[in-house]
Formats: sequence, C-alpha cells, structure tokens
Amino acid sequence: NAGVTQTPKFQVLKTGQSMTLQCAQDMNHNSMYWYRQDPGMGLRLIYYSASEGTTDKGEVPNGYNVSRLNKREFSLRLESAAPSQTSVYFCASSLREEQFFGPGTRLTVL
Amino acid sequence: GQQVMQIPQYQHVQEGEDFTTYCNSSTTLSNIQWYKQRPGGHPVFLIQLVKSGEVKKQKRLTFQFGEAKKNSSLHITATQTTDVGTYFCAGPKAAGNKLTFGGGTRVLVKP
Repeated sequence: NAGVTQTPKFQVLKTGQSMTLQCAQDMNHNSMYWYRQDPGMGLRLIYYSASEGTTDKGEVPNGYNVSRLNKREFSLRLESAAPSQTSVYFCASSLREEQFFGPGTRLTVL
Repeated sequence: GQQVMQIPQYQHVQEGEDFTTYCNSSTTLSNIQWYKQRPGGHPVFLIQLVKSGEVKKQKRLTFQFGEAKKNSSLHITATQTTDVGTYFCAGPKAAGNKLTFGGGTRVLVKP
C-alpha cells in the first residue's frame, strides 16, 4: 500500500516550458487535491477533484490545468511555466475529512 | 472568504518546556484538523476535533476546540527534539472536503 505517490520529486524548468506533475493514490479515495506551498507559508489549494470526471478551481488556479484521469490519478499541468510558480507541490487524497499527502514535487522555474 | 490564522508563526522552545499554538477562524467550523509537517517532509494528519469544547490528547499533545467552534489550540508538554516541525490547523470550506489551512506554527527546539 503505497498511499499517495508523486512524480517527479524534483524539476527545474525554464520560463515558458511546460510540464505535467503526476499523482496517484491506491487507497480508493474519491477526492483528490493539488496544493502549492511557498517557503514559510501554508498550503494553498490549486485544484480539487471530488470524484472521477469532476474538477473544481481552488484558491490559486491561474496558470494551471488538471486532469482526473481515473479514480487513482490526478495530474497537474503547467502550460507555460513562470518564476512565480517556483514552489513545492503536494498532491493529497481523502475519503472524508482526513487528507493524505504525497511526498511533494520541488519545482524551480528559472 | 474563510480565513484561518495561526499564532505564533515561529516558536522557539527549550527542550523540556511546554508551549501552546493557537488557531483562529473567521467563520464557525464544523470541525478542525491538525497536521504536522517535519522539515523537508509532507503534512501528516494528527487529529480532528468535532464537538464544541472538545479536548483530545495524544501522549504529550493536547488539542482543544473552542466553545464557539471558531478557534483551537495545540499544547505540547515537555517538548522533545522529535516535536520539531510545522503544525498546521485546517478547517473545512462550506461544501465538499476542501480545507482552508492556516499559515502554520514552525516549532524549533533548543536542546
């Protein structure tokens, strides 16, 4: 039982490049989330998926797109990366209130 | 919109001492959750409080939910180096399982 997995662990991009962050969970959870965490700050919700086939914007969705591919997988895409998107990205999943987080992806945009 | 604030932002504690961190919401909460994030790690769920005035203990950690369900506290007794990390409180948004996280209290322990 791996819980929530994320790939890659680290990524460096140049401004304007695109990439997709992958997230998968094996706990049969309905809800999945993408957060970003900037240094010394809390977690801000980027996008949320209540169930397969549905997605909803969070607090900071601009510059991002998501795909809920199936119940297990929820990906986050940066179409044209900007330095302001340098952050640590966490994926999480939940059945009810308690959220389970993945190990995170550290993204630097130069 | 809903805001969740935590104080203090930083807490320097001598090993063996007690301290308390506080969480305040701009709206009444149906429940409140606490998470711990070790340096370089990811947030890990600690506990959920649901009832007004509820108090729960986990070893040296005591969690309390305010009577008005708008605030919460985490009290740690006899702080150890294993308590180092950032403690976040989080309250649910009006609909769905989405959470609003506080900014966290970063705890540093002096041996």
